[in-house]
Amino acid sequence: AQSVTQPDIHITVSEGASLELRCNYSYGATPYLFWYVQSPGQGLQLLLKYFSGDTLVQGIKGFEAEFKRSQSSFNLRKPSVHWSDAAEYFCAVRNTGGFKTIFGAGTRLFVKA
Amino acid sequence: DGGITQSPKYLFRKEGQNVTLSCEQNLNHDAMYWYRQDPGQGLRLIYYSQIVNDFQKGDIAEGYSVSREKKESFPLTVTSAQKNPTAFYLCASSSGTTKVGYTFGSGTRLTVV
Repeated sequence: AQSVTQPDIHITVSEGASLELRCNYSYGATPYLFWYVQSPGQGLQLLLKYFSGDTLVQGIKGFEAEFKRSQSSFNLRKPSVHWSDAAEYFCAVRNTGGFKTIFGAGTRLFVKA
Repeated sequence: DGGITQSPKYLFRKEGQNVTLSCEQNLNHDAMYWYRQDPGQGLRLIYYSQIVNDFQKGDIAEGYSVSREKKESFPLTVTSAQKNPTAFYLCASSSGTTKVGYTFGSGTRLTVV
């Protein structure tokens, strides 16, 4: 069965520091992979997606993610974090033939001044 | 602007009552979804619909019902059979291809009093 693991429940980084949020997935083939961001009390917004090709994908708000098949990972990165990046981040996987998307439990990002 | 509208934003219900959460989209998307979000558990799929007049149960459909009479609308009814209905409910939609992500509404917070 498909699954998504986000090992870190919460992470705190200083403003201006780099960020990496971890995501591991379990799936038999190459899935479609997504990162979403959620501000408190709001819906989710798509940051970026991967489905084939270049393993480094760029998204909105300066985020990028790298797909590593050998590690079954799709980690999200940002070179310099801004206070407005404080939110909850969800990794998600969707199988290539289906309509269902499986979400990880989320990682809450705190940014300190 | 196109998007998904969920209403109401906050909803209070007495035990034993059914309530209906509204979800309307003007994105011309074929597929619509309902997710439930609880702290630390990510998003869990309740129901989804790929086309009008058709819908499928997700992972936690017990105690919920839906209809899809129009492409734009996918209301969710939380019945009195749902044992623990207090949660944040998110509606999402996507086009027919599996390579795209979801567009989410801003959510409805349901509290049973």
